Amino acid sequence: NAGVTQTPKFRVLKTGQSMTLLCAQDMNHEYMYWYRQDPGMGLRLIHYSVGEGTTAKGEVPDGYNVSRLKKQNFLLGLESAAPSQTSVYFCASSPTRTSGRRTKNIQYFGAGTRLSVL
Amino acid sequence: GEDVEQSLFLSVREGDSSVINCTYTDSSSTYLYWYKQEPGAGLQLLTYIFSNMDMKQDQRLTVLLNKKDKHLSLRIADTQTGDSAIYFCAEPMNYGGSQGNLIFGKGTKLSVKP
Repeated sequence: NAGVTQTPKFRVLKTGQSMTLLCAQDMNHEYMYWYRQDPGMGLRLIHYSVGEGTTAKGEVPDGYNVSRLKKQNFLLGLESAAPSQTSVYFCASSPTRTSGRRTKNIQYFGAGTRLSVL
Repeated sequence: GEDVEQSLFLSVREGDSSVINCTYTDSSSTYLYWYKQEPGAGLQLLTYIFSNMDMKQDQRLTVLLNKKDKHLSLRIADTQTGDSAIYFCAEPMNYGGSQGNLIFGKGTKLSVKP
C-alpha cells in the first residue's frame, strides 16, 4: 500500500520553463491538496480538490494550475516558473467528509518534491 | 482570519520531557491536530483531540487543551533522539467553501541532544 506518491522527488528548472508535478493516491480518497513549504512560512495551501473533476483555490494559487481528471491523481502545473516558486511541494489526500469543523480531516502526505527555479 | 501560532525552536536533552505549545484562533467545536515531519519526509499525523476534551494520552504523548485560552500543547515524555523533527499544530478553517481545510502553524523544530 503506497499511500500518496509524488513524482518527481527533485527538479531544477530555469526561469520561464514549465513543468507538472504528479500526485497519486491509492486510498480511494475524495479530497486532495497541494501545499508548498518554505522556511519560516510553514505549509501554505495552493489548490485543493473535493472530488474528481473539481478544483478550488487555496491561500497561494497564483502561478499554479491544477487538474483532477482521475480520482486518484492530482496534477500541479507551473506554466512559467519563477524563482519565487522555489520550494518544497507536498501533496496530501483525505477521505470523504462533510464540510465544516466538526468532522475529522486527517490528511495523508506524500514525501514531497523539492523544486529549484534558477 | 484564522492563524495558528507556534514557537519555532525547542531544544531538550535526551530523556527529558518536551512541551510544544500552540495557540489557535477559533473556539468553536472542532478537531485539533498534531503532525510530525521528519527530515526529508512529508508530514505524518501524530495525534488529534476533539475540543470537548481537556486531555488525551497516547503512550509517551500527552495533548492538553485549554479552550478558554485557545492553547494546545503536546508533551513528549522521555524524549529520544528519534523524536527530533518538526511538529506542526493544525486547526480547520471556518469560513466559506474552504471550511474544514486545515491551517497549519509554522512548525516547531525539536532538537534532542544526547
